[in-house]
Amino acid sequence: TQLLEQSPQFLSIQEGENLTVYCNSSSVFSSLQWYRQEPGEGPVLLVTVVTGGEVKKLKRLTFQFGDARKDSSLHITAAQPGDTGLYLCAGPGSNQAGTALIFGKGTTLSVSS
Amino acid sequence: KAGVTQTPRYLIKTRGQQVTLSCSPISGHRSVSWYQQTPGQGLQFLFEYFSETQRNKGNFPGRFSGRQFSNSRSEMNVSTLELGDSALYLCASSPGTSGRIREQFFGPGTRLTVL
Repeated sequence: TQLLEQSPQFLSIQEGENLTVYCNSSSVFSSLQWYRQEPGEGPVLLVTVVTGGEVKKLKRLTFQFGDARKDSSLHITAAQPGDTGLYLCAGPGSNQAGTALIFGKGTTLSVSS
Repeated sequence: KAGVTQTPRYLIKTRGQQVTLSCSPISGHRSVSWYQQTPGQGLQFLFEYFSETQRNKGNFPGRFSGRQFSNSRSEMNVSTLELGDSALYLCASSPGTSGRIREQFFGPGTRLTVL
């Protein structure tokens, strides 16, 4: 069974700090996605990484896909209160057709001013 | 382009009842997936419909069912509700192309509480 494990589970930091969130698996994924979910809303797609070793930047957010495509990280520089939310990584199940995704349980980030 | 809409947003039911949730995907998207989100288990895949056919199913009991209409709108039904069915039910829309990249666009969810 493919699993995605995220760490840390909770993170509480001050505005301006940097942080890194991790997403790990023992299985190879053809791609990984990162979503952010705010309370009472559905997840919103931030980025998709496809190639091993790939690095993508989205303003203050930097996403990296591991060389072996078994792990990914999300680094936020100079966090702001607007970054608060649940960060989820997800990937396609290898034994599932269609568009089904396997999700990690997420990292809850709280940024205070 | 309008996003994914889900109705109702909140629902309270009692054990043993049944419930129907509705999802309207983004215009032009042919795939609709349903997920259950709970604090303990996170987001878990229920099933996916593509062109009115169930293309994939997660590991949930038969009490959970769904369907898709010709306009791509989808409904999911839960019969004989149990307390453990209390969750946020999320609908996700995508163009439907399977493969390495499976980007999905989520609705706001329906918060179901079973008493």
